[in-house]
Amino acid sequence: AQTVTQSQPEMSVQEAETVTLSCTYDTSENNYYLFWYKQPPSRQMILVIRQEAYKQQNATENRFSVNFQKAAKSFSLKISDSQLGDTAMYFCAFMEDPSGTYKYIFGTGTRLKVLA
Amino acid sequence: DSGVTQTPKHLITATGQRVTLRCSPRSGDLSVYWYQQSLDQGLQFLIQYYNGEERAKGNILERFSAQQFPDLHSELNLSSLELGDSALYFCASSVGSGVQETQYFGPGTRLLVL
Repeated sequence: AQTVTQSQPEMSVQEAETVTLSCTYDTSENNYYLFWYKQPPSRQMILVIRQEAYKQQNATENRFSVNFQKAAKSFSLKISDSQLGDTAMYFCAFMEDPSGTYKYIFGTGTRLKVLA
Repeated sequence: DSGVTQTPKHLITATGQRVTLRCSPRSGDLSVYWYQQSLDQGLQFLIQYYNGEERAKGNILERFSAQQFPDLHSELNLSSLELGDSALYFCASSVGSGVQETQYFGPGTRLLVL
């Protein structure tokens, strides 16, 4: 069965520093998609970044980048120059469609606190 | 603001009751997804509709049902409510139907079952 594991329940980082959130997943499929979502205190779910498994190049969105290691089934999120507004819960998500049976699986989340 | 709207924002009801949650997708989006976020189960995918038809089904209980109307808004019906159904229910929308689509989440409906 597909699983998504976020092994860091909580993390903290000083403002302007860099932090990496880890995510591992398990699948036997070759084509799938990975996402990082941010959930601030307002509880809104906001897409941070996405990665297509068939692309070798790591996705980047401004201060957010991923380290996608397909063989290791690892998908970590790096936040550079951390800002107070980055304080939130971060969810790693895995989505695939093997033979038309859609799978949408979220990790348990990492609570990130950015310290002033 | 994602452009996805959900009503009501909060809902308090009693066990055994039935409630309906409503979602309006972003303009132009044909897919609507429903998710449940509870303290013990985390974020779980419930069901997806695309242009009025059920597209994918996740961990949705038989007591729950959903539909998408011709104007593309969607409703999630929860019946015979139990204490454990207390959760934040999210609706999301996307343009297409595939797993590669970017989903835009609404603000959620917080349901409390007493």
